[in-house]
Amino acid sequence: GQNIDQPTEMTATEGAIVQINCTYQTSGFNGLFWYQQHAGEAPTFLSYNVLDGLEEKGRFSSFLSRSKGYSYLLLKELQMKDSASYLCAGDSGYSTLTFGKGTMLLVSP
Amino acid sequence: EAGVAQSPRYKIIEKRQSVAFWCNPISGHATLYWYQQILGQGPKLLIQFQNNGVVDDSQLPKDRFSAERLKGVDSTLKIQPAKLEDSAVYLCASSPGQGASTDTQYFGPGTRLTVL
Repeated sequence: GQNIDQPTEMTATEGAIVQINCTYQTSGFNGLFWYQQHAGEAPTFLSYNVLDGLEEKGRFSSFLSRSKGYSYLLLKELQMKDSASYLCAGDSGYSTLTFGKGTMLLVSP
Repeated sequence: EAGVAQSPRYKIIEKRQSVAFWCNPISGHATLYWYQQILGQGPKLLIQFQNNGVVDDSQLPKDRFSAERLKGVDSTLKIQPAKLEDSAVYLCASSPGQGASTDTQYFGPGTRLTVL
């Protein structure tokens, strides 16, 4: 199995940039997912990284360093609707995802 | 394209009662997952089906939980008897591939279970 660690909560202001970090055990690691989950709703897919480096998708970017067992999700030009929980999930390559506890992001005006 | 459907959305039962949840995956998706998400935590995989066969049920408490996907489409998850610690959101997800962990999973809205 894998251990996934991410901060419990973060706060930021509208228009700002925020970085949500995730660390994981490297044994048997294949890739890393980020999901967004608004309160009371289902998780929705944001990104999947398997190669080292930064992948950009509009206001959201995700970074992976396999050697360091580290990933981050970067959110730019924050909007109020970005207030949600952000889940980091490790892919061990054995058909199972291991999710972290999620980072609750609160965006204030 | 219709998403993953789940019912009921909410359920309140007393401990030791039984409960069943239903999931209809996205049409054509071969792989179906049931997750348990306790408040303040990430989803935990309970069971994964590929078509109508079980791929992984290593974290399913088999003394009280059961799941089936008889025709390789809809699935039901049952808890009998329920305990207080089963209070959680039960999420169903599906993916179009053959169950590789690299497949993107699409989640349903979940069933929020409260056990009193």
